[in-house]
Amino acid sequence: GQQLNQSPQSMFIQEGEDVSMNCTSSSIFNTWLWYKQDPGEGPVLLIALYKAGELTSNGRLTAQFGITRKDSFLNISASIPSDVGIYFCAGRGISSGSARQLTFGSGTQLTVLP
Amino acid sequence: DAGITQSPRHKVTETGTPVTLRCHQTENHRYMYWYRQDPGHGLRLIHYSYGVKDTDKGEVSDGYSVSRSKTEDFLLTLESATSSQTSVYFCAIGSFSPGNTIYFGEGSWLTVV
Repeated sequence: GQQLNQSPQSMFIQEGEDVSMNCTSSSIFNTWLWYKQDPGEGPVLLIALYKAGELTSNGRLTAQFGITRKDSFLNISASIPSDVGIYFCAGRGISSGSARQLTFGSGTQLTVLP
Repeated sequence: DAGITQSPRHKVTETGTPVTLRCHQTENHRYMYWYRQDPGHGLRLIHYSYGVKDTDKGEVSDGYSVSRSKTEDFLLTLESATSSQTSVYFCAIGSFSPGNTIYFGEGSWLTVV
């Protein structure tokens, strides 16, 4: 099956700092999605990427679809306390079976210190 | 909101009993998914549906069955619940065409005692 490696597993940063996390895949993806999950809630979509090389922003968040189609990164600029949570990457493969589903990374737990 | 309702939101059941979780959507999306989330494992796909009566297995399908008799409802059934099925279950809906994506419900917390 497809493998997604997400790093880092956890981050402790000071408020105001920038954050970067990434995902790499063992196979080619044609869609990358980034989600944030708060405790007790479902994942909420942050950014969706559909083309290799695509760079998309959503407020202080920026994500890129790697040109090899096997990786993606998410940057958060000027972190604030409400950025705390778990961030997940998810990818959609290109084979007939994998194209119908998402594979998720294991998540990055972000803690923002005042 | 993405128009997804999961029920029940919380359930405690005994080992060996059947349990059915329901996912209802009002968005007419073709794809519906059931994931489970456990500490250290992230989100793992149980089953998914790509149309009415069209379903397929995911990564962790053993012990689970699903049914989709109409577009808006996707049911997940644990025929005989085990303690290893204690988890948070998330339904997701959507499509992969540009401008659309996959949205998650709020989760169903299941405890098997």
